[in-house]
Amino acid sequence: AQTVTQSQPEMSVQEAETVTLSCTYDTSESDYYLFWYKQPPSRQMILVIRQEAYKQQNATENRFSVNFQKAAKSFSLKISDSQLGDAAMYFCAYRGAGGTSYGKLTFGQGTILTVHP
Amino acid sequence: DAGVIQSPRHEVTEMGQEVTLRCKPISGHDYLFWYRQTMMRGLELLIYFNNNVPIDDSGMPEDRFSAKMPNASFSTLKIQPSEPRDSAVYFCASSYLTSGRETQYFGPGTRLLVL
Repeated sequence: AQTVTQSQPEMSVQEAETVTLSCTYDTSESDYYLFWYKQPPSRQMILVIRQEAYKQQNATENRFSVNFQKAAKSFSLKISDSQLGDAAMYFCAYRGAGGTSYGKLTFGQGTILTVHP
Repeated sequence: DAGVIQSPRHEVTEMGQEVTLRCKPISGHDYLFWYRQTMMRGLELLIYFNNNVPIDDSGMPEDRFSAKMPNASFSTLKIQPSEPRDSAVYFCASSYLTSGRETQYFGPGTRLLVL
């Protein structure tokens, strides 16, 4: 079974600074997708960024970028120029591209990000 | 598009009562997922459907839980009878399978409190 681990229960950053959230996963599959979701206090789950495992290039979305290390099974999220609105719980998630895990998202435990003004 | 719609947004009920949560997926999406979020267990997948057919219900905690998808635009998650340990936020999500672009979009969630 696939597992996703976020080893940082809480992180904090100063406004305008950069912060990196860590995520590792365990899988025997060769093809899969990885995601970072943001959950603000409203509880809405918002997709931040996604990465296809077959792509070597790291995904970027404006101030958000990932460092995807397939061999190490590591998928970290970097937030540049942090803003107060980035404060939220961040979840790393895995989805297999086929087989019995197809369509199923497996989530990590989450990291609470606090942004200080 | 209005996104995934869930109702009610909040539900407070007493132990033993039946609870029905509702979800309207994004139009055109062919996968629908039900998740539960608790402090103890985090986010868990309960069940998911493909073209209205249940594909995997291995996450459904017990027989008190049931889910249906009678058509492409509506799904329900029912708990009967409800227990205090069912208190959680229940999310519905939907996605459209196009090669390489499948992403799940989540509804706002239903916060359930069972007294």
